[in-house]
Amino acid sequence: GQNIDQPTEMTATEGAIVQINCTYQTSGFNGLFWYQQHAGEAPTFLSYNVLDGLEEKGRFSSFLSRSKGYSYLLLKELQMKDSASYLCAVDYGGATNKLIFGTGTLLAVQP
Amino acid sequence: ETGVTQTPRHLVMGMTNKKSLKCEQHLGHNAMYWYKQSAKKPLELMFVYSLEERVENNSVPSRFSPECPNSSHLFLHLHTLQPEDSALYLCASSQDWAEQFFGPGTRLTVL
Repeated sequence: GQNIDQPTEMTATEGAIVQINCTYQTSGFNGLFWYQQHAGEAPTFLSYNVLDGLEEKGRFSSFLSRSKGYSYLLLKELQMKDSASYLCAVDYGGATNKLIFGTGTLLAVQP
Repeated sequence: ETGVTQTPRHLVMGMTNKKSLKCEQHLGHNAMYWYKQSAKKPLELMFVYSLEERVENNSVPSRFSPECPNSSHLFLHLHTLQPEDSALYLCASSQDWAEQFFGPGTRLTVL
């Protein structure tokens, strides 16, 4: 079976750093995606990891350990606009792009 | 228009109605997807089209019927739906199997 786990909710303070964890168990692995989804809006792409290690993109970084089935999204210098749901998704498909999503982590940034 | 667009944005239908959801992508991508997003549940992949051919049907009931007439357009035809089919239906596109770009979704309510 396919399974992705991430915390349901997190709270952090403006200007701080927050780490959102994701663990996965899937039949295949072609890469891991992080998406951001504001309430009532479409998910937007944040990052993609296929090899172990850290990928940095501005205030956002994403880490992957394939042997541990583990990833995290690191958000630095938090801003109020970062309040959103963060979705972890694994591409487990063989020849096609088949994503399985976690339920998402709802992040609330407080002043 | 840019990105991925979906119409209608909101739809209310009875269980005996027939309706269609439309998705159009203006990104020149060659793959398109339908997802279902229900409250408190992960995004669920429904269908995948690559170069206008259906490559994935994720055990979706036959009351949902996709159609992809060309690489820019994707439809989801609905008939004799159930109240539990009420959800946000998201369309996405990608170039090959890179990151997916999502449309704003159609909020469907089945009475």
